[in-house]
Amino acid sequence: GESVGLHLPTLSVQEGDNSIINCAYSNSASDYFIWYKQESGKGPQFIIDIRSNMDKRQGQRVTVLLNKTVKHLSLQIAATQPGDSAVYFCAENMDGQNFVFGPGTRLSVLP
Amino acid sequence: EAGVVQSPRYKIIEKKQPVAFWCNPISGHNTLYWYRQNLGQGPELLIRYENEEAVDDSQLPKDRFSAERLKGVDSTLKIQPAELGDSAVYLCASSRREADTQYFGPGTRLTVL
Repeated sequence: GESVGLHLPTLSVQEGDNSIINCAYSNSASDYFIWYKQESGKGPQFIIDIRSNMDKRQGQRVTVLLNKTVKHLSLQIAATQPGDSAVYFCAENMDGQNFVFGPGTRLSVLP
Repeated sequence: EAGVVQSPRYKIIEKKQPVAFWCNPISGHNTLYWYRQNLGQGPELLIRYENEEAVDDSQLPKDRFSAERLKGVDSTLKIQPAELGDSAVYLCASSRREADTQYFGPGTRLTVL
């Protein structure tokens, strides 16, 4: 079935460097995407979202890019900090009602 | 604004026992979701409520799982009887309306022995 997936299950970056977390989706009709951050023992925390009528959206230190041609979503974190260490999920809204979550990417920030 | 509240945070039970989880969504949020998250995986939807109506329970194992949201505010998810494979984190989320941004609670970590 159609699903959301991530290219890299783990990502290690040096503190201060930029991080890029990728996500592939297969449903071309999906029109809303959310990135979540989940720290150990906590629920997913909303980071940033984007709708399909946009290619890029920026927040505080984070940018989401949407490439509808290749059905690819990415989350860029600028100047990665130790507090950014977590598992990151992309979620895809497939039918205007429910979201489908990918398996997640673990980001480890090295000192 | 208070976030989504869930209780208990942790629960350990023996198989075949019943268990219940409670969720209070963000005030004003009409849509409430229950998810199950297995270790190392993303959340998987169990049931979605619009106010007090369960509009999507297609992924809810109805032989042992039940849920209610009687007054369209807080909700309870029950498992009876629990099986070993039910061990997971049960997450509640809410949004103002369907397909809107979801906000999650901290989850209940269930361990079935």
